Amino acid sequence: DQQVKQNSPSLSVQEGRISILNCDYTNSMFDYFLWYKKYPAEGPTFLISISSIKDKNEDGRFTVFLNKSAKHLSLHIVPSQPGDSAVYFCAAAGAGSNYKLTFGKGTLLTVNP
Amino acid sequence: GAGVSQSPRYKVAKRGQDVALRCDPISGHVSLFWYQQALGQGPEFLTYFQNEAQLDKSGLPSDRFFAERPEGSVSTLKIQRTQQEDSAVYLCASSIRQDNEQFFGPGTRLTVL
Repeated sequence: DQQVKQNSPSLSVQEGRISILNCDYTNSMFDYFLWYKKYPAEGPTFLISISSIKDKNEDGRFTVFLNKSAKHLSLHIVPSQPGDSAVYFCAAAGAGSNYKLTFGKGTLLTVNP
Repeated sequence: GAGVSQSPRYKVAKRGQDVALRCDPISGHVSLFWYQQALGQGPEFLTYFQNEAQLDKSGLPSDRFFAERPEGSVSTLKIQRTQQEDSAVYLCASSIRQDNEQFFGPGTRLTVL
């Protein structure tokens, strides 16, 4: 049973526009959420995170929003650039085992020039 | 600076063979993690070390899987009597402490024929 779900396998966006990647989770014990970015033949690279005590965290072009009541988070990339084309993984961790990341299946983002 | 390195990058094994996968974490990183990523899936947690101590091995799929980190630095993931379902990318990650950002290596792609 998938505890972290990324229901869109792929997303295509025009350069300069906003990319919105979505993630849902089912485990109410999760209190820390992360987004990783992965290029082919490389390991995932940490992008941004958010603790459950916040509902928004921003870092440059990347913003993560957390809606705890809906068990939903999203990653916004504005403006999108061709170099952002990659697979994006949503991950979650819970109190007591905050090292054990549970990942979604990933969303392939393609930013077209 | 040097990131997490893994070797070999690719490994082909015949069913029933034993394999050993190596991970060199970032120098000074106390925590080390192994994940398994099957095709089309997100990484799944296998095991966690703090220095040389294996504190969590709850994700190891069977007793054919064994991991060690004898001197608190390099780690080896060993799979005995490999099966076709073991085919996956094995990712190693390290972090300064258990609750810090995890830095991933490029992974070892294991194919069992």
